[in-house]
Amino acid sequence: DIQMTQSPSSLSASVGDRVTITCRASQGITNYLAWYQQKPGKVPELLISAASTLQSGVPSRFSGSGSGTDFTLTISSLQPEDVATYYCQNYNSDLGFTFGPGTKVDIK
Amino acid sequence: EVQLVESGGDLVQPGGSLRLSCAASGWSFSRNAMTWVRQAPGKGLEWVSAINGGGSKTYNADSVKGRFTISRDNSKNTLYLQMNSLRAEDTALYYCARGNGYNSFAFDIWGQGTVVTVS
Repeated sequence: DIQMTQSPSSLSASVGDRVTITCRASQGITNYLAWYQQKPGKVPELLISAASTLQSGVPSRFSGSGSGTDFTLTISSLQPEDVATYYCQNYNSDLGFTFGPGTKVDIK
Repeated sequence: EVQLVESGGDLVQPGGSLRLSCAASGWSFSRNAMTWVRQAPGKGLEWVSAINGGGSKTYNADSVKGRFTISRDNSKNTLYLQMNSLRAEDTALYYCARGNGYNSFAFDIWGQGTVVTVS
């Protein structure tokens, strides 16, 4: 199966900071990349699909980019409600649907 | 309202079997792929099994191949996961989730989960 890695594994930033999370696939997945947010004690929520398509209702401060093996999730201005763990996921059906290990985001 | 409700989680002995169900409502069930994703206590998300909208194609993680079987009954709007030869490492909260298309597997709707404990 494909391997997904994320960096950093955790970060602490101030309100208003720009935050970037990186996801790397061990093989090319074109743009079959999704990002999820999981707040403490809650169900995961899909933020972005197709590497850069924001889901309806997701704040515009979230954005995604990348193609092939390297992807990024950016929060343009971190808010207190963004405290969560963020997961990337490959959904290229030829390669399985592996999740990355997660990036935990806290407020400094 | 689009909704997924899982059931069937329980405490089971190693080597035992369990069948999870996920009841869907609020949309045309057969139009979307479905999946099971699990999360062990304090750990990350692990994809388990997936199935396309018609049920003709299934996918399984290496960790469950030969032990778990995903299926769906589109007449009953229900997704299933038959789990055999259970191991301690299968202990987790099991979520069902909806793919964002017939053959598309970004998961846009999630249930609240059902707990499986193997001990």
